[in-house]
Amino acid sequence: DIQMTQSPSSLSASVGDRVTITCRASQSISTYLNWYQQKPGKAPDLLIYGASSLQSGVPSRFSGSGSGTDFTLTISSLQPEDFATYYCQQSYSTPRTFGQGTKVEVK
Amino acid sequence: QVQLVESGGGLVKPGGSLRLSCAASGFTFGDYFMTWIRQAPGKGLEWISYISSSGSSVFYAKSVKGRFTISRDNSKNLLFLQMNSLRADDTAVYFCARDSGWNDYWGQGTLVTVSS
Repeated sequence: DIQMTQSPSSLSASVGDRVTITCRASQSISTYLNWYQQKPGKAPDLLIYGASSLQSGVPSRFSGSGSGTDFTLTISSLQPEDFATYYCQQSYSTPRTFGQGTKVEVK
Repeated sequence: QVQLVESGGGLVKPGGSLRLSCAASGFTFGDYFMTWIRQAPGKGLEWISYISSSGSSVFYAKSVKGRFTISRDNSKNLLFLQMNSLRADDTAVYFCARDSGWNDYWGQGTLVTVSS
C-alpha cells in the first residue's frame, strides 16, 4: 500500500497568513493526489483533485502543486472559515490511502 | 443536486453484524464507482472499500477484507456495506462517497459503535 505522510500534523496561524501543507507519498503517484477539508462533525469537502485542479465552488485562495512524491496545498490568505483539518489522498492505486491530516488552528 | 444519505448505523456487540445503506440521488448512479470511507472517533480518514459502476469489481482495505462486503443496486440507486464479525476497532463514522477518481460528493455519515 502507498503511505501518505503529511506535515505538519498541526499548525497555528492567523487570518491573512499564507499557509502551506505538504504531503509526501511513499512512491511516485504522478499527479493522482487530492486534497480535502474537514470541519468538526462534518463530512470532508473536496478542494483539489489531480494535484492542482480546483474543485468547482472552491475559493481561488486554495491551490495545489506537485507531482511524483511531493505535493503542497497552499492557502494564500487564511480566512476564518479555513480553520479546519486538511487531508491528502492518493488515487493512483487501491487502497486509496489518506494522509494523517493537518489541523489548522487559530494562533 | 447530488445527495448521498447513509443509514443503518447503530450499537452492535463484538462479533455482530450490521448492514449500512447509502441512498443516492441527483446523478446517474449507475455511471459512477462508489466508495466507503470511515473515521474512528478523533482519528483520520480511512478508505475501506469501493465498487465499480456495474458492481462487477470490488476492492477492500486489508483491515476489513473477508469481513465486509460492498454491493450496489443500480435499479434503486442504493449502495450497501455488509459488515460481519465486527470488532471494537470498527467503531467509526462511515461515509459513502461518489468516486470520480476522487471523492467529490460525500454523505453525512452514519455512526457504528461496536461495544458490549
